[in-house]
Amino acid sequence: AQSVTQPDIHITVSEGASLELRCNYSYGATPYLFWYVQSPGQGLQLLLKYFSGDTLVQGIKGFEAEFKRSQSSFNLRKPSVHWSDAAEYFCAGVTGGGNKLTFGTGTQLKVEL
Amino acid sequence: EAQVTQNPRYLITVTGKKLTVTCSQNMNHEYMSWYRQDPGLGLRQIYYSMNVEVTDKGDVPEGYKVSRKEKRNFPLILESPSPNQTSLYFCASSFGTTSPLHFGNGTRLTVT
Repeated sequence: AQSVTQPDIHITVSEGASLELRCNYSYGATPYLFWYVQSPGQGLQLLLKYFSGDTLVQGIKGFEAEFKRSQSSFNLRKPSVHWSDAAEYFCAGVTGGGNKLTFGTGTQLKVEL
Repeated sequence: EAQVTQNPRYLITVTGKKLTVTCSQNMNHEYMSWYRQDPGLGLRQIYYSMNVEVTDKGDVPEGYKVSRKEKRNFPLILESPSPNQTSLYFCASSFGTTSPLHFGNGTRLTVT
């Protein structure tokens, strides 16, 4: 079955430290992949997306993600975390001909000051 | 301003009392979708619509209905709500399934 997996339910980092949130996908073909962020009481906001081409994609708020076909991964990174980055992060994927976007279960990020 | 508007934001109701959660978008998007969010389960798709009068089931459609009579509106109907439908609901829209979704701010539903 086509799926997206986020292995980490909770992650805590110190402000100023680097961050990596993991996302693994299982699709027959190269999927379209997205990272969304959900701040408390808000809807989801798109951080970045990967369709094809350059495997390192830049997003908003200083985030980036790298598509690695060999590892079936699309991990989200940020060099230096700010306290305002505390939120829940969702990875999502869909195939080019598909009509169903699948979300991971989310990773809750806590930032310690 | 481009947005997806859901109403109401909060709703408390009793078992069996029909309710409708409205969703409207002003971006001329063809694709609209409803999700429910539950702790530890992420977002699960309830129904989606590829265009006017075209709707289909998602992963968890039981107990829900939708309609898409106009491009901008995609209401979610609970004919006979039950406590297991207590959840946070999101409407989203986009130009297509491979385009980024725009989300509403959510509707927190409690069924007692």
